Amino acid sequence: KAGVTQTPRYLIKTRGQQVTLSCSPISGHRSVSWYQQTPGQGLQFLFEYFSETQRNKGNFPGRFSGRQFSNSRSEMNVSTLELGDSALYLCASSLGTNYNEQFFGPGTRLTVL
Amino acid sequence: QKEVEQNSGPLSVPEGAIASLNCTYSDRGSQSFFWYRQYSGKSPELIMFIYSNGDKEDGRFTAQLNKASQYVSLLIRDSQPSDSATYLCAVNSNSGYALNFGKGTSLLVTP
Repeated sequence: KAGVTQTPRYLIKTRGQQVTLSCSPISGHRSVSWYQQTPGQGLQFLFEYFSETQRNKGNFPGRFSGRQFSNSRSEMNVSTLELGDSALYLCASSLGTNYNEQFFGPGTRLTVL
Repeated sequence: QKEVEQNSGPLSVPEGAIASLNCTYSDRGSQSFFWYRQYSGKSPELIMFIYSNGDKEDGRFTAQLNKASQYVSLLIRDSQPSDSATYLCAVNSNSGYALNFGKGTSLLVTP
């Protein structure tokens, strides 16, 4: 069974630009969660989508947004990039039940210059 | 107040010993608890999950949960150098759909 895939794996942008990251979950999984990982803050929850609906959102500014498509693939977008947005962005896939075992993709390393 | 707390380490144990990793959480309503292993430069890998009070064993790994004390731990028996990694404790949020992570404990297993 294929795992979670994320593209691109690495990205370099400059301040003020916007970026779109993509995630394809494990086949059969309908929930996709996004996390930001930085050395200082650790892993922080961004948002979660299930059947194209956002069910939960973390404490991030509105510059961070996402969506999910009918095939469960998800994208997240960050507009007006800031230096502090440099991080590893991780996507996690799950069945979406209450017990919520989440499986992570390899991540996208975003560097903002 | 941080919702999930872990000792950052590093925790150093000799090869063959038992490594004990601990985690406390603040939300009494949490129902599911997870341990992830993250090697440097890699993404987190799920190694254990536990929902009920008590112990759960899987190979060399044992997860222990005490909801009354809001405490979850991971024991690694017969530790190997390949177990050297950061171990992340994660707890489901009130909504059940988001995971709150601790900052991780760095484990070093020395030959």
